[in-house]
Amino acid sequence: GQNIDQPTEMTATEGAIVQINCTYQTSGFNGLFWYQQHAGEAPTFLSYNVLDGLEEKGRFSSFLSRSKGYSYLLLKELQMKDSASYLCAVTDSNYQLIWGAGTKLIIKP
Amino acid sequence: GAGVSQSPRYKVTKRGQDVALRCDPISGHVSLYWYRQALGQGPEFLTYFNYEAQQDKSGLPNDRFSAERPEGSISTLTIQRTEQRDSAMYRCASSSGRDQETQYFGPGTRLLVL
Repeated sequence: GQNIDQPTEMTATEGAIVQINCTYQTSGFNGLFWYQQHAGEAPTFLSYNVLDGLEEKGRFSSFLSRSKGYSYLLLKELQMKDSASYLCAVTDSNYQLIWGAGTKLIIKP
Repeated sequence: GAGVSQSPRYKVTKRGQDVALRCDPISGHVSLYWYRQALGQGPEFLTYFNYEAQQDKSGLPNDRFSAERPEGSISTLTIQRTEQRDSAMYRCASSSGRDQETQYFGPGTRLLVL
């Protein structure tokens, strides 16, 4: 079967750094996405990785290791507005997106 | 339009009624996706279209659910003879159809079946 695993909830402090991990087992791989979803709102695109390595975009970075079926999202200089759920999703061999359940990130002052 | 729009934003209906949920994708986007999302969960795939062709409907829960996109733009998800278990947030997303396939989501329709 296809499976995306990520922690259910994490807590971090404003101004700190947090890393949200995602592991996947899918039938084929055509890219990995990270989305941010604030409570009651639609998911919004954060990053896309298809090759191994680190993609940096401002305070957010995303890493991929295809051989390990592993990715992480790194958030630096955390702000209160970063409190949200972070969804990991993988495109399989049929180009269908397989979604994780999301990691709820709680930022404390 | 600038983004994906969905209507209605909220729908309350009685069990046994039919409902139609509408999605208007980003102009020019080839692919359109329907998801259902429970609180605290990721989106659950229902079906998707490339242009007007329904490519995959394997996620539709049963034959009470159907979707169409007759002119390759606006799509309608129809639920017949609604049941209480159909209550959920229904989300639509569209993508350009080019390589990256980033999906852009609409605000969703919150369906409540009484």
